[in-house]
Amino acid sequence: DTAVSQTPKYLVTQMGNDKSIKCEQNLGHDTMYWYKQDSKKFLKIMFSYNNKELIINETVPNRFSPKSPDKAHLNLHINSLELGDSAVYFCASSLSPSGSLGEQFFGPGTRLTVL
Amino acid sequence: GESVGLHLPTLSVQEGDNSIINCAYSNSASDYFIWYKQESGKGPQFIIDIRSNMDKRQGQRVTVLLNKTVKHLSLQIAATQPGDSAVYFCAEKAGNEKLTFGTGTRLTIIP
Repeated sequence: DTAVSQTPKYLVTQMGNDKSIKCEQNLGHDTMYWYKQDSKKFLKIMFSYNNKELIINETVPNRFSPKSPDKAHLNLHINSLELGDSAVYFCASSLSPSGSLGEQFFGPGTRLTVL
Repeated sequence: GESVGLHLPTLSVQEGDNSIINCAYSNSASDYFIWYKQESGKGPQFIIDIRSNMDKRQGQRVTVLLNKTVKHLSLQIAATQPGDSAVYFCAEKAGNEKLTFGTGTRLTIIP
């Protein structure tokens, strides 16, 4: 009965590989997000989708491509992985993208290590 | 004990004491603020929120204070427990803009 789930929890891969992280929420929320948390714990938004539509696209290399097959899923595909991509990636969801309903529910994170 | 949450400082507090975690936010247009708690190996978890038309809000053992004049937010945790040990983030939002997180403060409760 996990609200926001991500797979895998850990991902270790070589530079240059392509990998995907999957996210699912069972809260019935319309909005989903991907965040990157670096080694200093700084959390930065990467993307946001509302009802399968991209609404936030921060300055992220185009090697990162989100895909939302339906509003309960938001996957993140990363091409040509680089050392600097090593981080913890969090998926989150919220009821709506706006105002005081902006409380976001976070998944457990995926720790990506690029060797 | 108190801290300023602009870097990732560590705040150590004796179990049972009160703690205050501070946050300076940057956007004067921000009208909604949230405190999140992140335990080791987990995602951030909502603690309490406050809108800009309020200056204080209380929850269970937690109080958030907002001073819009100096763009300052604080989280007070009463009677701290070992389970309060975590990294605490403030986050701000202006209207429909994205949620922007502060840099976090690591709170350690000393038994």
